[in-house]
Amino acid sequence: NAGVTQTPKFRVLKTGQSMTLLCAQDMNHEYMYWYRQDPGMGLRLIHYSVGEGTTAKGEVPDGYNVSRLKKQNFLLGLESAAPSQTSVYFCASRQSDYEQYFGPGTRLTVT
Amino acid sequence: AQTVTQSQPEMSVQEAETVTLSCTYDTSESDYYLFWYKQPPSRQMILVIRQEAYKQQNATENRFSVNFQKAAKSFSLKISDSQLGDAAMYFCAYRTVYNQGGKLIFGQGTELSVKP
Repeated sequence: NAGVTQTPKFRVLKTGQSMTLLCAQDMNHEYMYWYRQDPGMGLRLIHYSVGEGTTAKGEVPDGYNVSRLKKQNFLLGLESAAPSQTSVYFCASRQSDYEQYFGPGTRLTVT
Repeated sequence: AQTVTQSQPEMSVQEAETVTLSCTYDTSESDYYLFWYKQPPSRQMILVIRQEAYKQQNATENRFSVNFQKAAKSFSLKISDSQLGDAAMYFCAYRTVYNQGGKLIFGQGTELSVKP
């Protein structure tokens, strides 16, 4: 039981490049989330999903897209990376009324 | 919209002593969940303790306890007998029980250092 995993762990992009972050969970959780963490600002919600095939916007969705084609995977895409998207990205999943389980994070640097 | 505020960017405690981290929140809802998460240098987010708003009794988990003051919208974390391994960033978080996908709203975090 790996819990929540994120791929990759680190990435450096140039401005304008695109990439996809993969989140996978093996706990059969319905809900999945993408957060970003910036210094002094805590974690902020980018997008979330309440089940397979669904997505919804969070607090800071601009510049990101997501897809949840399979229940166990939640993808976060950056179509044209900007330096403002330099951050640490966390994926999380949850089932019912229980707490969210977080992945180990992805550190993304956009130069 | 709900907000969570942690007014102490940094705190320090002597090993074996007790420290209290502050958290206040703003909401118009009567039922919700509150959490404290720990983030050590490894970056992994670890749930420390959880409180349901409808419960008057303060939650306790071993050396960690909370002081939940619903009317004051305050949710502080007390760490007793502090250990070197408690050094980390601590985040307070709010979650509504109503249909908003169960998303967490986080405070800015408090960095706790433990002195030997």
